Amino acid sequence: SAVISQKPSRDICQRGTSLTIQCQVDSQVTMMFWYRQQPGQSLTLIATANQGSEATYESGFVIDKFPISRPNLTFSTLTVSNMSPEDSSIYLCSVRNRDEQFFGPGTRLTVL
Amino acid sequence: QKEVEQNSGPLSVPEGAIASLNCTYSDRGSQSFFWYRQYSGKSPELIMFIYSNGDKEDGRFTAQLNKASQYVSLLIRDSQPSDSATYLCAARRGGGAQKLVFGQGTRLTINP
Repeated sequence: SAVISQKPSRDICQRGTSLTIQCQVDSQVTMMFWYRQQPGQSLTLIATANQGSEATYESGFVIDKFPISRPNLTFSTLTVSNMSPEDSSIYLCSVRNRDEQFFGPGTRLTVL
Repeated sequence: QKEVEQNSGPLSVPEGAIASLNCTYSDRGSQSFFWYRQYSGKSPELIMFIYSNGDKEDGRFTAQLNKASQYVSLLIRDSQPSDSATYLCAARRGGGAQKLVFGQGTRLTINP
């Protein structure tokens, strides 16, 4: 398996501001993913972040709103930009290790 | 039609009994199927994955896959109160597509 950490674990932000979430993995992985889980809902993929290439965004998510960096094989960031209360959610980093896929502990974001 | 569908529950099972969780998928290109357990306030934890028709066992858990019927299930034997959680089914296509598509999850309660 892979050990994944995220920072911050939670935050409360004002609308119109931005928050950058960090994801660190204890081993080198090719594929990293960012998911969102809104209250009482399942997981929705925001984007796939591969090292050395631009992130691939899912329908409904755009780079201007959710810019992603992937500077190396163990680290990625997701920024939630110009936040509104609708962005209140849990944001999860996920990595693929061979056939398995693991999740970080998540970042609980509340936007006021 | 959602790509991956689960009965949202709640499903109540007495302690010591077998809990049966079901999942159907619509994309015949799906090759691998995953079961995650998610406790309230926590991130998803991988239980097991399956990609061949038939059964795959790991401890008290058995995953079953029937590609002809596009059906995946998870059996939990000797259910314990600690098994009470939401169980998420996910599917991954083969080939270059790497993302997991999740069902909405089934909430399972084991009654002592």
